[in-house]
Amino acid sequence: NAGVTQTPKFQVLKTGQSMTLQCAQDMNHNSMYWYRQDPGMGLRLIYYSASEGTTDKGEVPNGYNVSRLNKREFSLRLESAAPSQTSVYFCASTSRGYGYTFGSGTRLTVV
Amino acid sequence: AQRVTQPEKLLSVFKGAPVELKCNYSYSGSPELFWYVQYSRQRLQLLLRHISRESIKGFTADLNKGETSFHLKKPFAQEEDSAMYYCALSGITSGTYKYIFGTGTRLKVLA
Repeated sequence: NAGVTQTPKFQVLKTGQSMTLQCAQDMNHNSMYWYRQDPGMGLRLIYYSASEGTTDKGEVPNGYNVSRLNKREFSLRLESAAPSQTSVYFCASTSRGYGYTFGSGTRLTVV
Repeated sequence: AQRVTQPEKLLSVFKGAPVELKCNYSYSGSPELFWYVQYSRQRLQLLLRHISRESIKGFTADLNKGETSFHLKKPFAQEEDSAMYYCALSGITSGTYKYIFGTGTRLKVLA
């Protein structure tokens, strides 16, 4: 099925560990996004990539890095995980004029 | 400043009652408006776009440019409508395509 695929679905990390969240879309969308969702705070934009080859900071970029590997893939890296990064992470893609298509999310716990 | 405001964090209604989820926006220009729905522990899904003027699952939303609002309405709420609802807008700001989410409203439909 066409859409946005995120891996992994669940992850538990120890403080200081690193990991990469993977995201791929097969809809030929230009723009891709990483959000985190926390109770009572809605969706907060971490980083986005308006088009292949570009990335920009969003609202809460500290502690994260991203790579737009090609048009399909946009990964999010936590270099040194902290408990404050415990959250649900969503990847999304869109092309201008259309709504977002979201991935199923990654539930990350940092202990 | 561009923003999307959803004034209610939680809205509880009884089954069969009318529902109105409020969304106000601030944007200089002509944005596109969207509503997204997120059922428990699932991904966000696009519910409505103002451009398409459609009705999905009995929900409608009318863009009121004078009041800068895009409220989501349904005449008779159903228990399966219980979910988190996000209003969002998209537009060009300083030459960059931006997408802004509200903080969401949790709708609880009581039996």
